[in-house]
Amino acid sequence: GAGVSQSPSNKVTEKGKDVELRCDPISGHTALYWYRQSLGQGLEFLIYFQGNSAPDKSGLPSDRFSAERTGGSVSTLTIQRTQQEDSAVYLCASSPVGTRSSGNTIYFGEGSWLTVV
Amino acid sequence: DAKTTQPNSMESNEEEPVHLPCNHSTISGTDYIHWYRQLPSQGPEYVIHGLTSNVNNRMASLAIAEDRKSSTLILHRATLRDAAVYYCIPNSGTYKYIFGTGTRLKVLA
Repeated sequence: GAGVSQSPSNKVTEKGKDVELRCDPISGHTALYWYRQSLGQGLEFLIYFQGNSAPDKSGLPSDRFSAERTGGSVSTLTIQRTQQEDSAVYLCASSPVGTRSSGNTIYFGEGSWLTVV
Repeated sequence: DAKTTQPNSMESNEEEPVHLPCNHSTISGTDYIHWYRQLPSQGPEYVIHGLTSNVNNRMASLAIAEDRKSSTLILHRATLRDAAVYYCIPNSGTYKYIFGTGTRLKVLA
């Protein structure tokens, strides 16, 4: 597709279960980001992948969160033993190069809405 | 990255211009000023960015103060589709865009 694709668009899970969220970035984009947005809040940076470099995981809130990016393209964000406070929209974004140029644009998907009950 | 201050909310009448302010008094000389907006139930989308000079594109204009401590996003004729949260983001070239809480724009028919 032309844009960043995320799946599932909505997920309801029981507390304590594991969930996987998938992101397909725009073809050719080397940089991929995950953000989280709780209801009524701003975006919280989670993790960043750039090419074959080691990802910046400094925004992951706990060791229950992990992410991988296979083949430099598709990424999966995994949340283990989900808690109610994990309920949020998880947004994936990609950009053609890392934004060290300052002028680079990042493109967001529509998000995966996670509800933990 | 520089700290920003934006009004929590603003209202505008349809087809009138809207000026969305942002203060970024701690901005560094090399920070670009980016604006993104987030429509309801969607991910953020790029609007415009600039460094020193005023910038125009098909979506909006960006007016940057001479001392770069503030900027204004200008929507020339607001439409109902412009109702969104607008984020002002100074960026020093890192990938950790700090979105803050932005300004919620309400457009009145």
